[in-house]
Amino acid sequence: AQSVAQPEDQVNVAEGNPLTVKCTYSVSGNPYLFWYVQYPNRGLQFLLKYITGDNLVKGSYGFEAEFNKSQTSFHLKKPSALVSDSALYFCAVRDETDSWGKLQFGAGTQVVVTP
Amino acid sequence: DVKVTQSSRYLVKRTGEKVFLECVQDMDHENMFWYRQDPGLGLRLIYFSYDVKMKEKGDIPEGYSVSREKKERFSLILESASTNQTSMYLCASSLLARKQETQYFGPGTRLLVL
Repeated sequence: AQSVAQPEDQVNVAEGNPLTVKCTYSVSGNPYLFWYVQYPNRGLQFLLKYITGDNLVKGSYGFEAEFNKSQTSFHLKKPSALVSDSALYFCAVRDETDSWGKLQFGAGTQVVVTP
Repeated sequence: DVKVTQSSRYLVKRTGEKVFLECVQDMDHENMFWYRQDPGLGLRLIYFSYDVKMKEKGDIPEGYSVSREKKERFSLILESASTNQTSMYLCASSLLARKQETQYFGPGTRLLVL
């Protein structure tokens, strides 16, 4: 079975400081990993994904994530946070052995960026 | 760009009512999904469909059913709404061909059952 953990319910950061949102996963086979962002009263927007290859993945709005197989982690990062980055962030994993390709989502991390 | 639309942004229904939530995608995606989102629980998969008239149960199918008569449309049905079905419902779609395909989400329907 696949699972995802986002250990922080909320992350607070000052504008201009680095932002990190943590994610760890558990799968049977190789993972496909995704980050999504949700703004208030909106659906989820895709940010980036790791399928294979380079462990550092770059995505939308200046975000990037690093895949670490030994630590089973896929942390989301942004070098300099903006107030507009305040939102709910979801990590998701898909196990390559899952015949239906279903996604398992974490509980979400609320990011609050203060001016 | 992929566009996934949901028929209502907000719905208020009474206990026992039959509720239909509609989802339409315009990218000819084979896969479509229904999730519910609750605070602290993330997104949980209710049902998904990989082809017209085909459906598979997700993690929490109890109290729900689905219908997919056309490729672009996937409906979620609450046969007899209950207060514990008050939630945000999200529809998504993706290509079937490769498992690493991204799921694209609609704006969500916030359902309140009184």
